[in-house]
Amino acid sequence: GDSVTQTEGLVTLTKGLPVMLNCTYQTTYSPFLFWYVQHLNEAPKLLLKSSTDNKRTEHQGFYATLHKSSSSFHLQKSSVQLSDSALYFCALTSGPNYNVLYFGSGTKLTVEP
Amino acid sequence: EAAVTQSPRNKVAVTGGKVTLSCNQTNNHNNMYWYRQDTGHGLRLIHYSYGAGSTEKGDIPDGYKASRPSQENFSLILELATPSQTSVYFCASGDATGGYAEQFFGPGTRLTVL
Repeated sequence: GDSVTQTEGLVTLTKGLPVMLNCTYQTTYSPFLFWYVQHLNEAPKLLLKSSTDNKRTEHQGFYATLHKSSSSFHLQKSSVQLSDSALYFCALTSGPNYNVLYFGSGTKLTVEP
Repeated sequence: EAAVTQSPRNKVAVTGGKVTLSCNQTNNHNNMYWYRQDTGHGLRLIHYSYGAGSTEKGDIPDGYKASRPSQENFSLILELATPSQTSVYFCASGDATGGYAEQFFGPGTRLTVL
């Protein structure tokens, strides 16, 4: 069945450094990929989404490119800020049921001064 | 942006007791979802609904029931609560009108079963 893998459970970085959070997926259908961000004690919120192969999508300084050849949708930012500290989830929806999202286990990003 | 509210925000229950978590959305979305969030597991889908009167099983439905009496309301029911159901529960709503189901989440309910 469909699944999403996030390999890093915890990432700790110093402010100003670049970050890449890994996301790979498995599906036999055409995929839509999402990144959700959840700040402490808040609800998850959509950060990025894409269904277009090899096209970079950006929002709030974060960017990701869906690569269907490698089944990946890694999240990147060139310079992290303290306010980026949060839990990041990669999620997948695909046929035959585009109403259901499959979430990865999440990556907790901590940015230190 | 969709407005999704949940009640209660915090709940302490006893083992074997009945717990009902409520969710309300005001954006007229057809789909509603219940997830639980546990460290290391991300968000796991318990039940979801396509509209009033419909409920579908998600990935981890055992021990949970759901009810969708109206477009706006979706409840999660634990008939016999167990300590393993201690978790944070999120409700979400959305529609697959754009070809995919972007989901909007409520603030969560922290449930502790003693």
